[in-house]
Amino acid sequence: AQSVTQLGSHVSVSEGALVLLRCNYSSSVPPYLFWYVQYPNQGLQLLLKYTTGATLVKGINGFEAEFKKSETSFHLTKPSAHMSDAAEYFCAVSDRTNFGNEKLTFGTGTRLTIIP
Amino acid sequence: SAVISQKPSRDICQRGTSLTIQCQVDSQVTMMFWYRQQPGQSLTLIATANQGSEATYESGFVIDKFPISRPNLTFSTLTVSNMSPEDSSIYLCSARRQNLNIQYFGAGTRLSVL
Repeated sequence: AQSVTQLGSHVSVSEGALVLLRCNYSSSVPPYLFWYVQYPNQGLQLLLKYTTGATLVKGINGFEAEFKKSETSFHLTKPSAHMSDAAEYFCAVSDRTNFGNEKLTFGTGTRLTIIP
Repeated sequence: SAVISQKPSRDICQRGTSLTIQCQVDSQVTMMFWYRQQPGQSLTLIATANQGSEATYESGFVIDKFPISRPNLTFSTLTVSNMSPEDSSIYLCSARRQNLNIQYFGAGTRLSVL
């Protein structure tokens, strides 16, 4: 069974500072990997995904993530934090071997706070 | 992307009653899912809504408590039956297009049970 670990349920960074949100997965076969963002009182919005190909993936709002197979990681970064980045971020995986039934397994989420 | 509309956006219900949540997608999708997000927690998959057949439920969720319908490729409903305060959560619908392994989410239904 797959699992996702997000280290740090709360992360605070100053405006303009680097954002780093950590995600590690546990799976015998590298899964499909996703980052979603949830703004207050809203649903989930896809930030970026990795399925195959280039391991550095660029998403919306200046975010990017790098798939590192050797470290079973898919950390999310943004060079310069903006106040509007304050939200809950979820890492998720789906099993690429279970074609046609790729259910998402979510991490516990990281709440990002931006300090003015 | 797919546009997913959920109704109602929020509701406050009495213990013992039932609430049906609707999910409408703007285009045909192959798979639709229902998730629960309990306060301060992550998302847990309730079931996969199958078009024209019974939903596939995850461990810990049963049809009597969470009946699901999907009469066509763009619409699904989730009913939360015989509600108790423990059912207070956000319920989210998601959809996935064929050959595109991305799930898009609705804005969710915020349910409070008194």
